[in-house]
Amino acid sequence: QSVLTQPPSASGTPGQRVTISCSGSSSNIGSNTVNWYQQLPGTAPKLLIYSNNQRPSGVPDRFSGSKSGTSASLAISGLQSEDEADYYCAAWDDSLNGHVVFGGGTKLTVL
Amino acid sequence: QVQLQESGPGLVKPSQTLSLTCTVSGGSISSGSYYWSWIRQPAGKGLEWIGRIYTSGSTNYNPSLKSRVTISVDTSKNQFSLKLSSVTAADTAVYYCARAPTVKLQRDAFDIWGQGTMVTVSS
Repeated sequence: QSVLTQPPSASGTPGQRVTISCSGSSSNIGSNTVNWYQQLPGTAPKLLIYSNNQRPSGVPDRFSGSKSGTSASLAISGLQSEDEADYYCAAWDDSLNGHVVFGGGTKLTVL
Repeated sequence: QVQLQESGPGLVKPSQTLSLTCTVSGGSISSGSYYWSWIRQPAGKGLEWIGRIYTSGSTNYNPSLKSRVTISVDTSKNQFSLKLSSVTAADTAVYYCARAPTVKLQRDAFDIWGQGTMVTVSS
């Protein structure tokens, strides 16, 4: 069972906007920034969003992140077929000398 | 362009120690600008952070694995390594190495990953 809670699945049609939620606690999301990763089938994860809402170079602005309190969200607008992937949220957790915690992942299906 | 490459045995017997190495190319592990982490993913499951090391040798470990994990760095070889002792079938996973900047608010943002290496624990 993951420390951060994500819905196991999400779906949308091409062009649609979808959001994926990530719920945590005061020791992780509530006091630290959130990062999002995209994992295409058979590949290593890729950093999609860092520091809650920052996009690394090369990541389309269709992807955006936000955080409020102990929850965060990833939004994908103008959904494309190549967005079909697993998405993970992650954050630093201040408990037990500090460590990184991940969400369980959300499988996004483009219908 | 910095690249990370995991290497090590793909098969480990139960109760033995899993040992993996991550070789950093295209940049120096001694730059002091990054943390170096190990992350694993069992087949069909989510990501689990194992731990990280800084070039000074200071480490942080996942509390659930701390008693069995050792991460070390060899700056002369531009490598860092993972040792996981007393392995069981539950340790079967793809193991990734990754780096994260030491910049505040980005210290857990893994911007470069290795391709991953599959390790199976079986007799």
